[in-house]
Amino acid sequence: GAGVSQSPSNKVTEKGKDVELRCDPISGHTALYWYRQSLGQGLEFLIYFQGNSAPDKSGLPSDRFSAERTGGSVSTLTIQRTQQEDSAVYLCASSRDRSSYEQYFGPGTRLTVT
Amino acid sequence: DQQVKQNSPSLSVQEGRISILNCDYTNSMFDYFLWYKKYPAEGPTFLISISSIKDKNEDGRFTVFLNKSAKHLSLHIVPSQPGDSAVYFCAASGGGSNYKLTFGKGTLLTVNP
Repeated sequence: GAGVSQSPSNKVTEKGKDVELRCDPISGHTALYWYRQSLGQGLEFLIYFQGNSAPDKSGLPSDRFSAERTGGSVSTLTIQRTQQEDSAVYLCASSRDRSSYEQYFGPGTRLTVT
Repeated sequence: DQQVKQNSPSLSVQEGRISILNCDYTNSMFDYFLWYKKYPAEGPTFLISISSIKDKNEDGRFTVFLNKSAKHLSLHIVPSQPGDSAVYFCAASGGGSNYKLTFGKGTLLTVNP
């Protein structure tokens, strides 16, 4: 498909388990972002990748969160030792490059930590 | 510290009338503003944007107005259609980290037939 894809669409996990969320950006887009939306909140920036540059991790809420982007394309967001407050919709977006403000979002992964 | 505020959590309008969604920001370094529309179980989709060098941008039924002195922008939809019913997010960028978007909490627009 032509859009940003994310998997899984839904994930239910027990507190303390690790989870991995995947994002496939639009082909050719060099910039990739992760956001999360908690209930009743706006989107919260987590991390940004641009090409081969070091990622901007300034939005990650704790060291339990990490992300990588392999080959400048697919990205994985990993949450270790999940907590109930991690429950949210995790959204991935991509843009053509750093100078493009318009970001295109995937459908998100709804994470529920029980 | 919420830098982008959408003070109306919801708005209801009649089909054919104008919808006006409002957004305020506090960071004077923001220089680019976007509106996104989100349907349930889908990611936000880009709707319209405006640079801080402009005060108005129009695209079909959608117009965004920017008042820099008041740090206020608004999205006008006219005429409103039932398919416009969605959550609308205001987002802002700039301030040296111009790749990050700072979002408001969203306004749920309901357009009644």
